[in-house]
Amino acid sequence: QLQLQESGPGLVKPSETLSLTCTVSGGSISTYSWTWIRQTPGKGLEWIGYIYNGGSTNYNPSLKSRVTISVDTSKNQFSLKLSSVTAADTAVYYCAREGVGESFYDYWGQGTLVTVSS
Amino acid sequence: DIQMTQSPSTLSAFVGDRVTITCRASQSISRWLAWYQQKPGKAPNLLIYKASRLESGVPSRFSGSGSGTEFTLTISSLQPDDFATYYCQQYNSYRTFGQGTKVEIK
Repeated sequence: QLQLQESGPGLVKPSETLSLTCTVSGGSISTYSWTWIRQTPGKGLEWIGYIYNGGSTNYNPSLKSRVTISVDTSKNQFSLKLSSVTAADTAVYYCAREGVGESFYDYWGQGTLVTVSS
Repeated sequence: DIQMTQSPSTLSAFVGDRVTITCRASQSISRWLAWYQQKPGKAPNLLIYKASRLESGVPSRFSGSGSGTEFTLTISSLQPDDFATYYCQQYNSYRTFGQGTKVEIK
């Protein structure tokens, strides 16, 4: 059974960089596309971006200037970096897998709350 | 950007009721639509993809229909475990989610 687990700091200071890692177990990260999604009470669920084919990426245009998603196939992990954070980036961050050939999400991590505050 | 609008925002129903949630896209998305169920403190759970295809393991009381800009999620007979928030998601162009529909006990 495929499992995803997010990890990283739960508190980030304004203007700094948010960094999260998703560890995939029970399957290889070398296939499929891997995604970051966040959820806030105000904006709901927001797609951040995904990585596929071992390194190609696609980002939400509204976040593109601040987002980097990367993959480490040796560790079966992929990562998110979001720079210049503000309080508006406070959210529960999820990692997820895109379905076979289609961009719905069939496996999700449990989510991790990241708060941006000084 | 493709905007997804769900209605209603909140729905109150009895166990056993037939429930329908609507999702409208700001432009045609063909059938590239998924539905999710989310319970408090949990990640969303995939119910339906490609507008009407039931994800493996999802009870058959859930069904989806629609194409183009208008879609529906129907629960044929609401069960206690179904009280949750439901989201639609388009994947025709980038990916965007609806704002959610909370199904409450009446």
